[in-house]
Amino acid sequence: NAGVTQTPKFQVLKTGQSMTLQCAQDMNHNSMYWYRQDPGMGLRLIYYSASEGTTDKGEVPNGYNVSRLNKREFSLRLESAAPSQTSVYFCASSEDPRQVYGYTFGSGTRLTVV
Amino acid sequence: ELKVEQNPLFLSMQEGKNYTIYCNYSTTSDRLYWYRQDPGKSLESLFVLLSNGAVKQEGRLMASLDTKARLSTLHITAAVHDLSATYFCAVDPRGSQGNLIFGKGTKLSVKP
Repeated sequence: NAGVTQTPKFQVLKTGQSMTLQCAQDMNHNSMYWYRQDPGMGLRLIYYSASEGTTDKGEVPNGYNVSRLNKREFSLRLESAAPSQTSVYFCASSEDPRQVYGYTFGSGTRLTVV
Repeated sequence: ELKVEQNPLFLSMQEGKNYTIYCNYSTTSDRLYWYRQDPGKSLESLFVLLSNGAVKQEGRLMASLDTKARLSTLHITAAVHDLSATYFCAVDPRGSQGNLIFGKGTKLSVKP
């Protein structure tokens, strides 16, 4: 089925460990996004990629890095995980910045940092 | 500071009743989106409102946009249990690169 695929779905890390969250879309979308969702906070933008080859910081980029590997894939890396990064992470894509159809979201990655 | 405020944040309704969720935003925008999220699930697009005065309806839900008042509403008609979920509005600020700013969500619980 066409859509946005995130891996892994669940992960537990120890403080200081690193990991990469993977995201791939097969809809030929140009723009991709990483959000985190915390209780009572809604969704906050971490990084985005308006098009292949470009990435920019969002509202809460500290502690994260991203790579737009190609048009399909956009990964999020935690270099040294902290308990404050315990959250649910969503990747999303859109056809273009005009957002005529809004975002398509992945199923999320539930990350716990202990 | 750009703000997107939803109210109420929590809503408990009885089946068959009507209610409205409000979404106010502080920036210039003519694009607003509504999403639904079921517990433990991802976000599902409900409505895309792309101009002032836009109104869209799907089943028991109707969304509208007033860009001059910077206000969108999501009206629920004759609520049923299946509508229980969290509803988010999101704004695409004019001049942005399509980075949606989300409200905190309204958790709706529809009881028999």
